[in-house]
Amino acid sequence: ETGVTQSPTHLIKTRGQQVTLRCSSQSGHNTVSWYQQALGQGPQFIFQYYREEENGRGNFPPRFSGLQFPNYSSELNVNALELDDSALYLCASSPGLAEGYNEQFFGPGTRLTVL
Amino acid sequence: AQTVTQSQPEMSVQEAETVTLSCTYDTSESDYYLFWYKQPPSRQMILVIRQEAYKQQNATENRFSVNFQKAAKSFSLKISDSQLGDAAMYFCAYRSARGTGNQFYFGTGTSLTVIP
Repeated sequence: ETGVTQSPTHLIKTRGQQVTLRCSSQSGHNTVSWYQQALGQGPQFIFQYYREEENGRGNFPPRFSGLQFPNYSSELNVNALELDDSALYLCASSPGLAEGYNEQFFGPGTRLTVL
Repeated sequence: AQTVTQSQPEMSVQEAETVTLSCTYDTSESDYYLFWYKQPPSRQMILVIRQEAYKQQNATENRFSVNFQKAAKSFSLKISDSQLGDAAMYFCAYRSARGTGNQFYFGTGTSLTVIP
């Protein structure tokens, strides 16, 4: 069973640029959540996708957008990058929405640095 | 919105000893789930233990156990017989049982050092 994978591992961008981060969910999982983890902080929820539809969004501006594909992999897109966007971006997958007990399985993250 | 507070930014423990990490949360809901996640330097978050709010019995997973005090909104993690591999950031997380989304709310974490 393949776990959650993310690419790239590290990324350096300049202010104003756009970035796309990718996530492959664990086999059998149809729900993907994205989190931003600033240095020294806990992960902050960005949004969640369930069966290709956005299913909840945290307190992030519209320049943070996403997609989920039919194979349940997902992308996080960030436009007009700002210095404060520098963070570890975590993707987490889970097998479904209805069972609240479900843990989320996290990927290793993408470290984004905005200069 | 729910908030999760971890008041101990750093903790240390001698190898083979016991340590307790604290977590409090704020919610008006009666049904929810609580989790402890471990994030080692490799960055990948790993579930340590979970608790359903409607269960009075404290969860236990091998050397890891929780002290869940619902009225006090407290959810501490006890690590017994600490091992060097336990060194990591530990995050407490909350998830509502309502609705179909499963957004997790995380605390700011506790960095645990294990001293040989």
